[in-house]
Amino acid sequence: SQQGEEDPQALSIQEGENATMNCSYKTSINNLQWYRQNSGRGLVHLILIRSNEREKHSGRLRVTLDTSKKSSSLLITASRAADTASYFCATDGTGTASKLTFGTGTRLQVTL
Amino acid sequence: GAVVSQHPSWVICKSGTSVKIECRSLDFQATTMFWYRQFPKQSLMLMATSNEGSKATYEQGVEKDKFLINHASLTLSTLTVTSAHPEDSSFYICSASHLAGGPRIGELFFGEGSRLTVL
Repeated sequence: SQQGEEDPQALSIQEGENATMNCSYKTSINNLQWYRQNSGRGLVHLILIRSNEREKHSGRLRVTLDTSKKSSSLLITASRAADTASYFCATDGTGTASKLTFGTGTRLQVTL
Repeated sequence: GAVVSQHPSWVICKSGTSVKIECRSLDFQATTMFWYRQFPKQSLMLMATSNEGSKATYEQGVEKDKFLINHASLTLSTLTVTSAHPEDSSFYICSASHLAGGPRIGELFFGEGSRLTVL
């Protein structure tokens, strides 16, 4: 399977704490993306990092990419209850653009 | 911008009937759309790639005759679940690629999903 693995599968933290999720993938990529999914809803794009980038920031989000280890991490700083959702990484191989392979996802629960 | 609309958001049908799900890109043209299936608390599994004006490309293990995909225009793709059975109950999500170039190229925009329940 090409599917990436994410860990942890589930993460529960208190509001204000930082949340870190990791993603590992198996094949060479053009870019890696992180998506958020609220329960029973569609996916919302969070951030895209290209294979030649190592780190990217967007608001409270920080993404790193290590292509030598085929891994990425998503850090959410100062988490809020509204950040409660499932987070997926997705990669596209060096071939067909936009054909994404999703990781297994991390379910984040932020409590007050 | 880059809104993808999916309809219906949920549908309940009897076993043996067919159900059509629509995916529209509202403010951009999408020559390629993707259909995913998601079981509860699991990841998205790509079912097929829908190309405007040509036949869809199905992933291994996905039945072409069961899941009919039509991409008749640059803004609309449809997925028809034919002769639905309870095991087809799932969350179906479409996405479209923003192909206009610039920093968002390659980024996928997702519909809100359609929850199918087959009784």
